[in-house]
Amino acid sequence: GAGVSQSPRYKVAKRGQDVALRCDPISGHVSLFWYQQALGQGPEFLTYFQNEAQLDKSGLPSDRFFAERPEGSVSTLKIQRTQQEDSAVYLCASSLSGGSPEAFFGQGTRLTVV
Amino acid sequence: AQKITQTQPGMFVQEKEAVTLDCTYDTSDQSYGLFWYKQPSSGEMIFLIYQGSYDEQNATEGRYSLNFQKARKSANLVISASQLGDSAMYFCAMRYNFNKFYFGSGTKLNVKP
Repeated sequence: GAGVSQSPRYKVAKRGQDVALRCDPISGHVSLFWYQQALGQGPEFLTYFQNEAQLDKSGLPSDRFFAERPEGSVSTLKIQRTQQEDSAVYLCASSLSGGSPEAFFGQGTRLTVV
Repeated sequence: AQKITQTQPGMFVQEKEAVTLDCTYDTSDQSYGLFWYKQPSSGEMIFLIYQGSYDEQNATEGRYSLNFQKARKSANLVISASQLGDSAMYFCAMRYNFNKFYFGSGTKLNVKP
């Protein structure tokens, strides 16, 4: 596709529910990032993939958060037993390769936990 | 620890005038990249401009320029001839080792007609 695509755009989950957020990066982009953006704040790093390898997951806030990119393309961020503090916009970004400095972001998924 | 500081939570500028958005950073690395992204109300982060730490000239992209002062560790964004469509949140970010980005807290720019 022309850009990074995320789905769903909006998700309302009841506390305790599991959710799965999808990211379709730009075709051919090797690197993929997930960020969490709380209201009124800058994005905070969650995790990073190079192809299918998860090279950095230091930003995942708890073991309820899990991300995968099994074929080195589409990625899924899963949050188990959602809590109210998980409410945020989840942004996905991709970049061409390790030598390409800029990353391109999707429109994000706004998760609201009620 | 890497850190990005944006000290202006909100800014106003008159249409057609220039505006400078401040950004300072803290790193002990010699090789890094500095970025500015625009985030309109739709939520998407739009890449605006990039400056490499070894680039001697300030980056420019159309109406955007990055005032890079390495010794002062500042990377201010200058928008010339502001337009109403420039109203948005602006984030400064740093990336090193082509790894994760570190973002500042953002500046909300309002362009007045």
